[in-house]
Amino acid sequence: KAGVTQTPRYLIKTRGQQVTLSCSPISGHRSVSWYQQTPGQGLQFLFEYFSETQRNKGNFPGRFSGRQFSNSRSEMNVSTLELGDSALYLCASSRAGGRDEQFFGPGTRLTVL
Amino acid sequence: KQEVTQIPAALSVPEGENLVLNCSFTDSAIYNLQWFRQDPGKGLTSLLLIQSSQREQTSGRLNASLDKSSGRSTLYIAASQPGDSATYLCAMIKAAGNKLTFGGGTRVLVKP
Repeated sequence: KAGVTQTPRYLIKTRGQQVTLSCSPISGHRSVSWYQQTPGQGLQFLFEYFSETQRNKGNFPGRFSGRQFSNSRSEMNVSTLELGDSALYLCASSRAGGRDEQFFGPGTRLTVL
Repeated sequence: KQEVTQIPAALSVPEGENLVLNCSFTDSAIYNLQWFRQDPGKGLTSLLLIQSSQREQTSGRLNASLDKSSGRSTLYIAASQPGDSATYLCAMIKAAGNKLTFGGGTRVLVKP
């Protein structure tokens, strides 16, 4: 069974640009969550989608948004990039969230110059 | 105050020694606790999931315990190997939500 995949693996952008990251969950999983990992703040929750609906949202500005498609694939978008957005963005999938074990993808390394 | 704490932040042990990794959490309304391993620059690998109704879980050389009353979980790795060198993270899900709240991690170095 294929694991969680994320594309692209690496991105370099400049301040003010926008970026879209993609996540394909494990087959049969309907919950997709996004996390940001930085050396200073550690792993922080961005949002969770289940059946195309955002079910939970973390404390990030509105520049961070996401969506989920009917095949459970998810995208997250960051507009008006800032230097502080440089991070490893990880997505996790689970069958339905909650009690279920969460499985993470390899991440997308975003560098903002 | 941090909701999930892992102390120490780093530790080094000789090969063959048993590893004991600690995780403390402040909220007793915990749903699940999950242990992960992260290699440098990589994603997270799930090691063990303990549900709130369980006291421990085992997988091979790994054993994780959960004590809700004291707000602690411990991950034991028996007979450590150099390949066990990585950062170990614990994360909890509270009863009311679906998000993982992570500790800061413990960076482990197993010396040959």
